[in-house]
Amino acid sequence: NAGVTQTPKFQVLKTGQSMTLQCAQDMNHEYMSWYRQDPGMGLRLIHYSVGAGITDQGEVPNGYNVSRSTTEDFPLRLLSAAPSQTSVYFCASSYNRNEKLFFGSGTQLSVL
Amino acid sequence: AQSVTQPDIHITVSEGASLELRCNYSYGATPYLFWYVQSPGQGLQLLLKYFSGDTLVQGIKGFEAEFKRSQSSFNLRKPSVHWSDAAEYFCAVGSTNKLIFGTGTLLAVQP
Repeated sequence: NAGVTQTPKFQVLKTGQSMTLQCAQDMNHEYMSWYRQDPGMGLRLIHYSVGAGITDQGEVPNGYNVSRSTTEDFPLRLLSAAPSQTSVYFCASSYNRNEKLFFGSGTQLSVL
Repeated sequence: AQSVTQPDIHITVSEGASLELRCNYSYGATPYLFWYVQSPGQGLQLLLKYFSGDTLVQGIKGFEAEFKRSQSSFNLRKPSVHWSDAAEYFCAVGSTNKLIFGTGTLLAVQP
């Protein structure tokens, strides 16, 4: 089992560019989510999904889109990158709502 | 409003000393509580969780936490810290899919 795999590990964007952060899990988890981590602010939930075809907004969804066409994949799209989106992004999954989250190793994104 | 407060941003302890990391929460319903640990450059790993039952919960790596409803607290403890425990620790509340995280406590361990 690879667990939760995030790509890329590092990315630099210019303001206005778009990109997709990839997240895949091979544990057949129903729940997947995206968090961003900023210094002094902990982790904040961006979007989450409770199963294929079902997504919902978290605490800080503006500027991000998600989709969940398969159980395994949960990509995060930045539509028009802004410097405020410079952060470390973590994807996480769990078997059900009360089980522990498995985290990916993160994507460090810089927007210039 | 739901929130988690970790009042200590940074803590330094000597190896072999005891450790207590504080966590206070505000949550409308019966909380699900978690402690996660993050090593540098890594994702988070679950240390322990509390859903119901015994208010003292045991986790991995020798950690334990005690849920005190009257104080809205869920403090993390370890009787003897090892150098490998140096990391950042996050308290979280909510259901797994919609966790609210505290801002973290960075633990340094002195030899």
